Amino acid sequence: AQTVTQSQPEMSVQEAETVTLSCTYDTSESDYYLFWYKQPPSRQMILVIRQEAYKQQNATENRFSVNFQKAAKSFSLKISDSQLGDAAMYFCAFKGYYGGSQGNLIFGKGTKLSVKP
Amino acid sequence: NAGVTQTPKFQVLKTGQSMTLQCAQDMNHEYMSWYRQDPGMGLRLIHYSVGAGITDQGEVPNGYNVSRSTTEDFPLRLLSAAPSQTSVYFCASSYKTEVYGYTFGSGTRLTVV
Repeated sequence: AQTVTQSQPEMSVQEAETVTLSCTYDTSESDYYLFWYKQPPSRQMILVIRQEAYKQQNATENRFSVNFQKAAKSFSLKISDSQLGDAAMYFCAFKGYYGGSQGNLIFGKGTKLSVKP
Repeated sequence: NAGVTQTPKFQVLKTGQSMTLQCAQDMNHEYMSWYRQDPGMGLRLIHYSVGAGITDQGEVPNGYNVSRSTTEDFPLRLLSAAPSQTSVYFCASSYKTEVYGYTFGSGTRLTVV
């Protein structure tokens, strides 16, 4: 069974600085998807960025980028030029490439990010 | 607006009561899932469905029932509420081969007293 581990329960960053959130996962599959979700105090789950395992190029969405290391099964999220609105809980998630039970999202336990003004 | 609609947003139940959390999506997604979120535990899968008429158990299914009679709706039933079911519940949906992840509802905060 796949597992997702986020080793940092809490992180803090100064406004305008850069922060990296860690995520590792365990799977025997070669094709899969990885995601970072943001959950602000409003409770809404917001997709931040996604990565297809077959793509070697790291995904980037504006100030958000990932460092995907397939061999190491690592998927870290880098937030550049941190803003107060980035303060939230961040979840790393794994999704199998194929259907059935593999189509479900498996989440890490989350990292709470605080942004200091 | 297209999306996943969950009702109610908040609910307080007494131990032993039953209730149904509603979830509807209008995106014609095949996959629908229910998760519960507890502090320090992330989101854990309760039940899921890969299409109308097909449901299966996730990681924490005990105490919950689901059915999927239509593509759009996927209600979650609490048979006899227990304090351990106090949690935030999320419904989510996705295309079968969706690379964009899941679309989530806004969640239901359930308290069982």
